[in-house]
Amino acid sequence: GDSVTQMEGPVTLSEEAFLTINCTYTATGYPSLFWYVQYPGEGLQLLLKATKADDKGSNKGFEATYRKETTSFHLEKGSVQVSDSAVYFCALFSPNAGKSTFGDGTTLTVKP
Amino acid sequence: EAQVTQNPRYLITVTGKKLTVTCSQNMNHEYMSWYRQDPGLGLRQIYYSMNVEVTDKGDVPEGYKVSRKEKRNFPLILESPSPNQTSLYFCASSPKPGPEYGYTFGSGTRLTVV
Repeated sequence: GDSVTQMEGPVTLSEEAFLTINCTYTATGYPSLFWYVQYPGEGLQLLLKATKADDKGSNKGFEATYRKETTSFHLEKGSVQVSDSAVYFCALFSPNAGKSTFGDGTTLTVKP
Repeated sequence: EAQVTQNPRYLITVTGKKLTVTCSQNMNHEYMSWYRQDPGLGLRQIYYSMNVEVTDKGDVPEGYKVSRKEKRNFPLILESPSPNQTSLYFCASSPKPGPEYGYTFGSGTRLTVV
């Protein structure tokens, strides 16, 4: 079946550091890929998405590129802020399966 | 404001006492889904609904029921809750179940069964 594997956390960075959270997937067909963010005490919010190979999703300074050759969708941000502290989930939607699969989430803590 | 509203936010109940967690969306979305979030297990889908009167099992449906009598509402029913259903529950909706859409999530319901 489909699966999403995220880099294990927690990840702790200093403010203005560069962020990478790795995400790889297995799926049949051509899935769409998503990153969601969950702030403390809240539900998940869609952060960015990419629907086909080589697409780059971006939002709020975060970026991720759909790499079909490496089946990856790594999340990056050039300079993190304390307010970026949250749990980040990578997810895919498989048209073949007609459903979404989520990774386990990666907790990011940014210290001043 | 476009949103998914879940109630209650927190609930402590006893084993075997039937309960319902409500979910309502105001975006006229066709697709709705329930997830549970557990440490180390990520998000697992319980049930989903493609439209009114159309529901289907997700990955972990045992011990749960749902109904979709109206487009906006998708309640989650635990007929006889057990301690292993202690979890954080999220309702989510999407315009359609398609590759171009992401989900809108509710704020979550933290359920404790003692």
